[in-house]
Amino acid sequence: DAGITQSPRHKVTETGTPVTLRCHQTENHRYMYWYRQDPGHGLRLIHYSYGVKDTDKGEVSDGYSVSRSKTEDFLLTLESATSSQTSVYFCAISEKGGDYGYTFGSGTRLTVV
Amino acid sequence: AQSVTQPDIHITVSEGASLELRCNYSYGATPYLFWYVQSPGQGLQLLLKYFSGDTLVQGIKGFEAEFKRSQSSFNLRKPSVHWSDAAEYFCAVGGGTSGSRLTFGEGTQLTVNP
Repeated sequence: DAGITQSPRHKVTETGTPVTLRCHQTENHRYMYWYRQDPGHGLRLIHYSYGVKDTDKGEVSDGYSVSRSKTEDFLLTLESATSSQTSVYFCAISEKGGDYGYTFGSGTRLTVV
Repeated sequence: AQSVTQPDIHITVSEGASLELRCNYSYGATPYLFWYVQSPGQGLQLLLKYFSGDTLVQGIKGFEAEFKRSQSSFNLRKPSVHWSDAAEYFCAVGGGTSGSRLTFGEGTQLTVNP
């Protein structure tokens, strides 16, 4: 399997607190993505990166920010967590972009109480 | 904008029966199409993909999918389902103006009865 790890795997946090999720890859792939998975909605793109310091918004980016200071790490920050951000978050990587498919991490289950 | 529809939220089949999961896409040019499978508590694994050429694509675990441009469909099939195929299946589309991103359908949950 491709080297992609997400941390933490599970997290419970309180409303209003900042939360950072980490995605780490050892494949030296250019593209990295953050999706959230919710019942009835499939996977929705939050943010993605096409290189170091190059990021762009997805369809559900409000309330989230990202950073990519080096190739291997892509951080997702919930600036002030809300209950609507309770979800499973998946990171994905791709060498050449979505046209060639992704490799996914195992996910982070985040609960905001 | 591209989009994907999976009309069936939940499908139940008996072990050994054939399976077809539906996927319809909206896209202005030739799409790049994918099927992923997600077992409970796991990430998503690529089953197969279509870029161009032969419209019948073979994947892992005995799955295949057929691209039909006239119907804007990319249905997933398996001739004989095993209990271990119980999972959630996602269709995705990419390409062209979407840049490097994939758009996913809502998923189809497959239950396999013994």
